[in-house]
Amino acid sequence: GAGVSQSPSNKVTEKGKDVELRCDPISGHTALYWYRQSLGQGLEFLIYFQGNSAPDKSGLPSDRFSAERTGGSVSTLTIQRTQQEDSAVYLCASSLDGSGTGELFFGEGSRLTVL
Amino acid sequence: GENVEQHPSTLSVQEGDSAVIKCTYSDSASNYFPWYKQELGKRPQLIIDIRSNVGEKKDQRIAVTLNKTAKHFSLHITETQPEDSAVYFCAARPGRRALTFGSGTRLQVQP
Repeated sequence: GAGVSQSPSNKVTEKGKDVELRCDPISGHTALYWYRQSLGQGLEFLIYFQGNSAPDKSGLPSDRFSAERTGGSVSTLTIQRTQQEDSAVYLCASSLDGSGTGELFFGEGSRLTVL
Repeated sequence: GENVEQHPSTLSVQEGDSAVIKCTYSDSASNYFPWYKQELGKRPQLIIDIRSNVGEKKDQRIAVTLNKTAKHFSLHITETQPEDSAVYFCAARPGRRALTFGSGTRLQVQP
């Protein structure tokens, strides 16, 4: 693909509902990250997938958050029982490999608004 | 895990002046230090990076320096232009673990 693709671009949901955010990385990229960016804030690390290794989930803020990556490609971030503080832009990024020095290519993000 | 602190949070300079953004990191195992630029409403993009075996790297008007002993690294932009206005993020990565970003610096270049 041309770049990292995320969907939906915008999601408005009611407090308490579950949401799923999707990320389609660049073809051939083995590393995939999820970050969260609140309005005017920094890039908060959520989770990192590298090849077939166990994902690094150390950044997930609570057990309401989970993510999976199927077949080493597409990833889905799930937020259960959404809260207003979950409102943010969720950015996905992929990298060619996990050597540690590869450029991250970001998607456009999914803007989540919890009413 | 790694903790990256970034200063200042906002920086305003006159066009043509230099801008310096500083970051410190906590994990001595970190060996890769990229800088990303995020323009308003856009996605972050890599502008320059440095590896731990190098003390300084330059690319046109942009340079990065790294002091591994002190665990800090800096971004220097010379001859700033209005199009340099953006949010800049430093980051650090220990080995193959996750890339951790600083909190960002909003740079405003006044014409």
